[in-house]
Amino acid sequence: NAGVMQNPRHLVRRRGQEARLRCSPVKGHSHVYWYRQLPEEGLKFMVYLQKENIIDESGMPKERFSAEFPKEGPSILRIQQVVRGDSAAYFCASSPGQGAYNEQFFGPGTRLTVL
Amino acid sequence: DAKTTQPNSMESNEEEPVHLPCNHSTISGTDYIHWYRQLPSQGPEYVIHGLTSNVNNRMASLAIAEDRKSSTLILHRATLRDAAVYYCIPSQGGNMLTFGGGTRLMVKP
Repeated sequence: NAGVMQNPRHLVRRRGQEARLRCSPVKGHSHVYWYRQLPEEGLKFMVYLQKENIIDESGMPKERFSAEFPKEGPSILRIQQVVRGDSAAYFCASSPGQGAYNEQFFGPGTRLTVL
Repeated sequence: DAKTTQPNSMESNEEEPVHLPCNHSTISGTDYIHWYRQLPSQGPEYVIHGLTSNVNNRMASLAIAEDRKSSTLILHRATLRDAAVYYCIPSQGGNMLTFGGGTRLMVKP
């Protein structure tokens, strides 16, 4: 059974470029979450999506960041015009349903470095 | 979300039991108590969760106080592979997990 897959694992961008992070959830999971971990800090929730819908984006910066989870294909976290402060590890998680009793399965993360 | 308090770090010897405490005095009646851990350079990993009763699985045991204001994660025999940051997360139906600072567990051979 494949777990959550994220690619790329490492991404280097120059300031002003775009970063696209992809996440394939566990097969059969329709709920996806994105978290960000800044260097030496804890994980912070960014956005929660179900297929084709954004359910909660309360943790996502209002500008430059967007997320989608299309009917077919992986979930994408897109960061436009990256800045040095965007350098972080971005983790995706998936769950089979909603509700506090559902375990979230995390991917290995994408480490974004902005030069 | 309920506020949690965990020790910043703990140390254990290999093969010995480890008790990781967590205070969550503002927990609501419907919050589940989740524990996740994050090994170095990896994504978080689910460990265990419970509501009121103590819980056991292949990884650990979770002891929940009767008033639910605290819980303890028990690793019965720590191994070097258990060295990680352990997060205690009370969670309602909001779906997001709110990670605090966690406890960094160091295991000595």
